[in-house]
Amino acid sequence: EAGVAQSPRYKIIEKRQSVAFWCNPISGHATLYWYQQILGQGPKLLIQFQNNGVVDDSQLPKDRFSAERLKGVDSTLKIQPAKLEDSAVYLCASSLTSVAGTGELFFGEGSRLTVL
Amino acid sequence: DAKTTQPPSMDCAEGRAANLPCNHSTISGNEYVYWYRQIHSQGPQYIIHGLKNNETNEMASLIITEDRKSSTLILPHATLRDTAVYYCIVRVAAAAGNKLTFGGGTRVLVKP
Repeated sequence: EAGVAQSPRYKIIEKRQSVAFWCNPISGHATLYWYQQILGQGPKLLIQFQNNGVVDDSQLPKDRFSAERLKGVDSTLKIQPAKLEDSAVYLCASSLTSVAGTGELFFGEGSRLTVL
Repeated sequence: DAKTTQPPSMDCAEGRAANLPCNHSTISGNEYVYWYRQIHSQGPQYIIHGLKNNETNEMASLIITEDRKSSTLILPHATLRDTAVYYCIVRVAAAAGNKLTFGGGTRVLVKP
């Protein structure tokens, strides 16, 4: 079974530029999450989708971050304009939504962003 | 979701059991204890979860105290590949909207 795919793995940009990250979840997983992980810290949830609807975006800096999940499958996270403090690894995860399941989240390898 | 408290780091010897503690004194009756780990440069990986009873799988064992205010993850025979950050998380199990909220975790170093 294919895992969660993310791209690009690495991206270096200058502040005030824009960047986009792509995520393809595991087939059949209705729930998709974007997490931000700053060096030395645990991942922080940015946004959660259920199919193509937003469940939780309370910690998404909406003045510069945006995310979409068209057709309830792939998702894109965009940052515009980027700030130095946005340097982090952006992790995508997906899960089944079933009360009979474990609730396990499957994570991709992440996209590492460096803002200079 | 209830908060958890874990030691920031610990070392253990290769081949020995590693016991990772976690305090979750404010856990609610419908919240499960989940453990994930994150190996360097990878995304977090699910290990195990439980509600009241002790649980065991191919990766680890989870011991939950009777009052459910704390738990211990046991790696029975630690290997160098078990070096990682281990996160203890409490949350309601599989249901729409139940995100994982990560704390700082315990950085485990397995030494030869």
